Amino acid sequence: EVQLVESGGGLVQPGGSLKLSCAASGLSFSGSDIHWVRQASGKGLEWVARIRAKGYNYATAYAASVTGRFIIFRDDSKDTAYLQMNSLETEDTAVYYCSRYVPNSGRFFDYWGQGALVTVSS
Amino acid sequence: DIVMTQAPLSLPVTPGEPASISCRSSQSLLHSNGNEYLDWYLQKPGQSPQLLIYWGSNRAPGVPDRFSGSGSGTDFTLQISRVEAEDVGVYYCMQALQIPLTFGGGTKVEIK
Repeated sequence: EVQLVESGGGLVQPGGSLKLSCAASGLSFSGSDIHWVRQASGKGLEWVARIRAKGYNYATAYAASVTGRFIIFRDDSKDTAYLQMNSLETEDTAVYYCSRYVPNSGRFFDYWGQGALVTVSS
Repeated sequence: DIVMTQAPLSLPVTPGEPASISCRSSQSLLHSNGNEYLDWYLQKPGQSPQLLIYWGSNRAPGVPDRFSGSGSGTDFTLQISRVEAEDVGVYYCMQALQIPLTFGGGTKVEIK
């Protein structure tokens, strides 16, 4: 069974930092592109960041709203991806989902985690 | 960025009746390889999104055949031939042609 499990969410003050983890099992993690997608309460889905597999030199990309503040990275030896979130703003409050993206011949998300809640508030 | 627009925002449906959701993109989603990079996802209450349709019209594994996708270029449609109670939730279209990936605002399907 494929599982993506996010952790590391919580309450943080504006300007603070938080690191989310996404632990994968049941799939070829090292060959997978991993994305983060967030959803504010009662709102729609917003793409946040992507990291490609080793074969694509771990290329990263970010939404304009998080560029310069968030960093996506991965440790294939641990089958885990991360989202380091710095200079957090109240607008970053959301459930953050990690998901596996099938690139090239696919271009869709086939597996999603259960989500991690991040609350930015003083 | 490609802007995705869905309609309607809310869709009350009667079980057994058909339903249709529209999705429009601000630019064509047709790739040079001939694929239309438009996906449909369903987020059931309290759950993570799940893939329904990819490339505009291909059902994901395990998706019932009452779900179908159609369209090309900038206009796409998700149809449910006979709505069942388990189909309630929010439906999102997403363009996968280019980064940043962008989603439609969602269509909430609920039972009348």
